[in-house]
Amino acid sequence: AQSVAQPEDQVNVAEGNPLTVKCTYSVSGNPYLFWYVQYPNRGLQFLLKYITGDNLVKGSYGFEAEFNKSQTSFHLKKPSALVSDSALYFCAVSAHASGGSYIPTFGRGTSLIVHP
Amino acid sequence: SQTIHQWPATLVQPVGSPLSLECTVEGTSNPNLYWYRQAAGRGLQLLFYSVGIGQISSEVPQNLSASRPQDRQFILSSKKLLLSDSGFYLCAWRSRLDRGPNEQFFGPGTRLTVL
Repeated sequence: AQSVAQPEDQVNVAEGNPLTVKCTYSVSGNPYLFWYVQYPNRGLQFLLKYITGDNLVKGSYGFEAEFNKSQTSFHLKKPSALVSDSALYFCAVSAHASGGSYIPTFGRGTSLIVHP
Repeated sequence: SQTIHQWPATLVQPVGSPLSLECTVEGTSNPNLYWYRQAAGRGLQLLFYSVGIGQISSEVPQNLSASRPQDRQFILSSKKLLLSDSGFYLCAWRSRLDRGPNEQFFGPGTRLTVL
């Protein structure tokens, strides 16, 4: 079984400050990890993923995430937050795909609020 | 480029009425397709997924059903809606062309309110 935990329902940060949205996971085997963002009344948009290789993954809109195998974490980061980054962020994990099916497990989401 | 469409965007239906939500994908072939429901509490609940035409897997037993009559068409249905069916319904697809795990692409969603 695989699971994802996003321990914070909400993260508040001032514009221009660095931001971190936390994610920890549990999976058998090597994990494939993803971050998505959702703006109000919209579908989820893919931000970045970790498959293998460098632990620091860079994605869209200046976001990056750091894979830490020993801590089973995949925290989302951005050096300088923008008010427009305010949205709902989802972390997802999947074990190695098999048989053509691919069923990721999503966290409950973290609401990021960036204050002007 | 690939696009995913969902309609309708918004729907208000009485309890006990039928439901049909449609999702279509353009610009790709043989995708994996998914239906999710997002309640007010914001977590995503996987309802159905499909790896090919006519192949549907149900993740949660309930009064909903899904069908995939064509390669890039995924339909979510109900014969009789319940109040608890209200929510934001999201369709997603994933490419099976690459060997590695790929990200999902989500549609714009359908907001369903059952009264």
